Amino acid sequence: GAGVSQSPSNKVTEKGKDVELRCDPISGHTALYWYRQSLGQGLEFLIYFQGNSAPDKSGLPSDRFSAERTGGSVSTLTIQRTQQEDSAVYLCASSRGHTAYGYTFGSGTRLTVV
Amino acid sequence: RKEVEQDPGPFNVPEGATVAFNCTYSNSASQSFFWYRQDCRKEPKLLMSVYSSGNEDGRFTAQLNRASQYISLLIRDSKLSDSATYLCVVNINNNDMRFGAGTRLTVKP
Repeated sequence: GAGVSQSPSNKVTEKGKDVELRCDPISGHTALYWYRQSLGQGLEFLIYFQGNSAPDKSGLPSDRFSAERTGGSVSTLTIQRTQQEDSAVYLCASSRGHTAYGYTFGSGTRLTVV
Repeated sequence: RKEVEQDPGPFNVPEGATVAFNCTYSNSASQSFFWYRQDCRKEPKLLMSVYSSGNEDGRFTAQLNRASQYISLLIRDSKLSDSATYLCVVNINNNDMRFGAGTRLTVKP
């Protein structure tokens, strides 16, 4: 697609429920990143996929968080048993796979856990 | 030490002022550096890459100091529309990139 697409744009869920956030990167981009940003805070790295390599999961805050990337394209971030502190904007970004190009963000999913 | 650290801000400057932000990084092998801009409640967008020799784009100048491991962003003749959060981005290995926490700039009339 023309840009990085994320869905849903907004999600309100009850504490304890599971949620799935989707990211559709720019076609041909081999690198995909998930970040989260709490209100008024900086970006927190979550996970990074590069081609067929094992993902870098070092930023995932707990085992309630997981992500997968199917066919080297679409990625899903899953949060199990959501907590109120999970409330944030979850941003996905993709790049051509070479750091010289920087990367492009989607508009994010605003998750609110009530 | 954090992989990427930025001036905490906020910076509040009058229109027309010159303002500079610094960003330090911990990995001496880092090769790619960028400045991103993030408007309130929006996603970050690429402002400019930072090249070894320094580079300029209109009122914006980016510089890299490898010896001291920092990059800088200089904004001249600041405009109200420059108000935003500025994020520095550094690759920590291969294609793995990390963002600084951002520096908030407010330009006032």
